[in-house]
Amino acid sequence: AQSVTQLGSHVSVSEGALVLLRCNYSSSVPPYLFWYVQYPNQGLQLLLKYTSAATLVKGINGFEAEFKKSETSFHLTKPSAHMSDAAEYFCAVSGEGNNRLAFGKGNQVVVIP
Amino acid sequence: SAVISQKPSRDICQRGTSLTIQCQVDSQVTMMFWYRQQPGQSLTLIATANQGSEATYESGFVIDKFPISRPNLTFSTLTVSNMSPEDSSIYLCSVESGGARYEQFFGPGTRLTVL
Repeated sequence: AQSVTQLGSHVSVSEGALVLLRCNYSSSVPPYLFWYVQYPNQGLQLLLKYTSAATLVKGINGFEAEFKKSETSFHLTKPSAHMSDAAEYFCAVSGEGNNRLAFGKGNQVVVIP
Repeated sequence: SAVISQKPSRDICQRGTSLTIQCQVDSQVTMMFWYRQQPGQSLTLIATANQGSEATYESGFVIDKFPISRPNLTFSTLTVSNMSPEDSSIYLCSVESGGARYEQFFGPGTRLTVL
C-alpha cells in the first residue's frame, strides 16, 4: 500500500521568499505522485504530477517538484511566494495497477506580507 | 479536464437524519470516487464507484452508512445515513482523468454540519 508523509502542518513564508513543502512517499511499486492545492471553501486543484517521465516537473502558478527515487521524495517548491499562494497543499501517491490516491496530511501555507 | 459539480454545496442537518449528495460530471467517466475530509484533516477515500456495479468500500466504511449509486457514466450519489456530529466533514467526489493515469479531478465539495 502507498502512503505519504508531509511534515509541518502549518508553514509560514514571507512574501517573495522560497516556498518549500516536503513530501516523502512509500510505495512498493513505481509511484505516480501529485501535488494538489485547496483554496478556502473550494475543492482540490491539481498543481503538478509525476508519472515516470521527467524527474523535474513544472506545474501551474510557478510551482515545481523534483522526484528523487533514492530519497523517496517529491518536494514542492516555488522561488518567490505570492500572497495568492496562501492555501492548503496536499501530496498524493498512487501506484501501478492501483487507482487509489493516498493523501498526506497537508500543509497550510500562510504568506506573510 | 473534467468539470464536476456537487449539490448541495453545504448543508446543516439534524442528528439521525440522512443526506444525499449528488455529483455530476460534464463527460463520461468510468470511475468515480468519494472522499471525506474531516475538519483539519486530509482526504480519506470512502469508496470507488463504477457504473453498473456495486461500489467498492475502503476499510472502515460500510454500505449501510454510506450507500452509493452510480446510475450512468456522468452521475453518482453518496448518502450519509443516520448522521451524527462525527459525520461533519467535507465530502468530495472525483473522477479519474482520461489523460495521465491515476490523475483525479475533484469536485468543489459538500460541506456538511451535523448538529
